[in-house]
Amino acid sequence: DVKVTQSSRYLVKRTGEKVFLECVQDMDHENMFWYRQDPGLGLRLIYFSYDVKMKEKGDIPEGYSVSREKKERFSLILESASTNQTSMYLCASSIDDRGASPLHFGNGTRLTVT
Amino acid sequence: GQSLEQPSEVTAVEGAIVQINCTYQTSGFYGLSWYQQHDGGAPTFLSYNALDGLEETGRFSSFLSRSDSYGYLLLQELQMKDSASYFCALSGTYKYIFGTGTRLKVLA
Repeated sequence: DVKVTQSSRYLVKRTGEKVFLECVQDMDHENMFWYRQDPGLGLRLIYFSYDVKMKEKGDIPEGYSVSREKKERFSLILESASTNQTSMYLCASSIDDRGASPLHFGNGTRLTVT
Repeated sequence: GQSLEQPSEVTAVEGAIVQINCTYQTSGFYGLSWYQQHDGGAPTFLSYNALDGLEETGRFSSFLSRSDSYGYLLLQELQMKDSASYFCALSGTYKYIFGTGTRLKVLA
């Protein structure tokens, strides 16, 4: 079974702090994704990566950056956390680039910015 | 751009059949997927339609009509454990765009 592990289940940070959300997958998947989930808005794509050191902006990249130095690890960085970044963050990985194989999600990190 | 619309909530009784619709506006995609998410849990994959028509997986079926820009998830013989949120998702190259989600409540 594919396992996607997010380092923290809950995080509380202060406005202006730099925040790192870590994600590791154990199935050698090429593609990794960061989504945020908010009530009524569904899952929105922040960034994705299709290879080591490669990254592409999703639909809502403002205020975020990512890092993929190793194939199994994809980090989301909030350069200066703001209250509107309070959300559930979901990391996912997949083996193909066309959706025929499923996205495998981690259990999420609920981030609160105060 | 791409957007997917779903009803926000659907309620049905145990043993019944329920259909969750997904309409979309997009310039092109590879397929339509469905995911289930229980409260506090991660989304999990249910089904994928690359072609028009019906795909059946046990109690769940999914349908796609590209000409109508429409798909649905059909859940049969509803069980209490089916109470969850359901998301449709369009897949393009390296990208999956999710709908707003439908909360299904199954009543005893």
